[in-house]
Amino acid sequence: KQEVTQIPAALSVPEGENLVLNCSFTDSAIYNLQWFRQDPGKGLTSLLLIQSSQREQTSGRLNASLDKSSGRSTLYIAASQPGDSATYLCAVRPRTGGFKTIFGAGTRLFVKA
Amino acid sequence: SQTIHQWPATLVQPVGSPLSLECTVEGTSNPNLYWYRQAAGRGLQLLFYSVGIGQISSEVPQNLSASRPQDRQFILSSKKLLLSDSGFYLCAWSLDRGQETQYFGPGTRLLVL
Repeated sequence: KQEVTQIPAALSVPEGENLVLNCSFTDSAIYNLQWFRQDPGKGLTSLLLIQSSQREQTSGRLNASLDKSSGRSTLYIAASQPGDSATYLCAVRPRTGGFKTIFGAGTRLFVKA
Repeated sequence: SQTIHQWPATLVQPVGSPLSLECTVEGTSNPNLYWYRQAAGRGLQLLFYSVGIGQISSEVPQNLSASRPQDRQFILSSKKLLLSDSGFYLCAWSLDRGQETQYFGPGTRLLVL
């Protein structure tokens, strides 16, 4: 059974700091891995999608890596800003189990001005 | 461009009352549609998904049901709400068969008293 774990559960950093969010999953048989952002009381916004054949994706100040063999992904945020404050969710799409996407519980990030 | 709508945004219902949450997608055809529930401090739990009109797959046995009467309309229902049904309900859509990102609606916050 696929499980997704995100560490830390919460993180508070000063503005301008580079930071890394971690995601681990138990079964490497996945189609892809996604990172989402969720603002309080809002829906999810897709940030980066990494296919199983890829090792990383970049978008602006965000870089996500995927190490399928070790079941790990990291989301790197460069030069953090107060507007980056949100919950970041990691999700994997298993190759078995139909269309189910398995989500982690998220990391709540607070960037202090 | 594609958009996804959910209503109502917030709902407070007594235990034992019925429920109907609606989700509609614009700007795309034959999407996969999903209903998720997010409990406080936890990850998203997939409740139902649909690959076409009238085709519903249930992931978790519960007192909820889903229907897809039209290509771009997905409805979540209950005949009698339980306290444990409280949560944040998110609708999402995707294309293709498992390798593309999911796009989420703004969510409905349900409080059962």
